[in-house]
Amino acid sequence: GEQVEQLPSILRVQEGSSASINCSYEDSASNYFPWYKQEPGENPKLIIDIRSNMERKQIQELIVLLDKKAKRFSLHITDTQPGDSAMYFCAASANLDNNAPRFGAGTKLSVKP
Amino acid sequence: AQTIHQWPVAEIKAVGSPLSLGCTIKGKSSPNLYWYWQATGGTLQQLFYSITVGQVESVVQLNLSASRPKDDQFILSTEKLLLSHSGFYLCAWSLDFYEQYFGPGTRLTVL
Repeated sequence: GEQVEQLPSILRVQEGSSASINCSYEDSASNYFPWYKQEPGENPKLIIDIRSNMERKQIQELIVLLDKKAKRFSLHITDTQPGDSAMYFCAASANLDNNAPRFGAGTKLSVKP
Repeated sequence: AQTIHQWPVAEIKAVGSPLSLGCTIKGKSSPNLYWYWQATGGTLQQLFYSITVGQVESVVQLNLSASRPKDDQFILSTEKLLLSHSGFYLCAWSLDFYEQYFGPGTRLTVL
């Protein structure tokens, strides 16, 4: 099945700087790549996603890049704020009726004021 | 607007005891429903999914079972809990096989 590798596992950045999280996947049939943010004790919340017909998507300070050839995708948070501190999970899935998205192991982002 | 509700919010149960967790979604007709498990500090593992009433597919069983008795309801259960069942159980929904939205979760502690 699909394996998704996510790095780094821990990321500490200074407020106002950028943070980048990288993921790679194995299954070339994967065509949907969501990113979730999870704060302590809370449920994961979908913050941005990208489909395989795109290479780049931006929502405010969030940028996702997809390199289908290399089977890699990444999340970039520009101008980080303390409120961005959380766990971030990437996932990859194929748009099929037996869809079982595989999640990365997660990245704990800490933004220092 | 759609709302997703999970019950209970938290449970503390003994090893060997039965368990039933529930999930209800309102405001969406015929959603796809999913159960996930998350160990403390761990990633998200999909357990079951259902695309219609009465039909449930297993992804990873972990000695658990799931049922969908109504269009808006998804139940996760077991007759005998194990210590390894401890964790955060999340129900999720989607209308297609893309975006999935998670419920608030149930925190389960097995002692």
